[in-house]
Amino acid sequence: ETGVTQSPTHLIKTRGQQVTLRCSSQSGHNTVSWYQQALGQGPQFIFQYYREEENGRGNFPPRFSGLQFPNYSSELNVNALELDDSALYLCASSLRSLDGRAEAFFGQGTRLTVV
Amino acid sequence: AQSVTQLDSHVSVSEGTPVLLRCNYSSSYSPSLFWYVQHPNKGLQLLLKYTSAATLVKGINGFEAEFKKSETSFHLTKPSAHMSDAAEYFCVVTHNPFSGGYNKLIFGAGTRLAVHP
Repeated sequence: ETGVTQSPTHLIKTRGQQVTLRCSSQSGHNTVSWYQQALGQGPQFIFQYYREEENGRGNFPPRFSGLQFPNYSSELNVNALELDDSALYLCASSLRSLDGRAEAFFGQGTRLTVV
Repeated sequence: AQSVTQLDSHVSVSEGTPVLLRCNYSSSYSPSLFWYVQHPNKGLQLLLKYTSAATLVKGINGFEAEFKKSETSFHLTKPSAHMSDAAEYFCVVTHNPFSGGYNKLIFGAGTRLAVHP
């Protein structure tokens, strides 16, 4: 158990809809990152939040957006869903470290299926 | 830029025999390297990490990895495989350590380990 919880565990949406995924960080962690893992691939970095602000983003379009709340929980929002958005979405929490070497703890993920 | 190459997409071993999962990395900086394991329908669990201290790193469940700078490798080994080791394994390198705390993980494509009786 990493102490990182995600909800829901599974979700089915229709193309064009919007979805919100939620993550509760490990106690004491101030940084949250989101990753997309397509079937048969390694996770890809979407973005990272620290102190409620996005401080890094991967190669994902603006329809992927996020929020971090004062209690360090987080949301991932995806608008205008496409079939290729079907994937396992992973949340990772960590303590911010200036050398970028902080260990990340992952949740169980949310399996999103877009039909 | 950082990148990770896992040299085998699938590895199959018999229970009780050694495990070797190979990983090469590319980094413009002194890297931090990790191995994560993912069991079916589960999240990612950290096996071990290298962060510029001892080059031979011991992790959980009997796994260990050796950082070899001259070979840019970070191979994962275990002396004796157990059925419960069957899973997907990911080699991971961190992003630019001078980015002011921006901690992006770069994953390899993964190696699926099968363990046969």
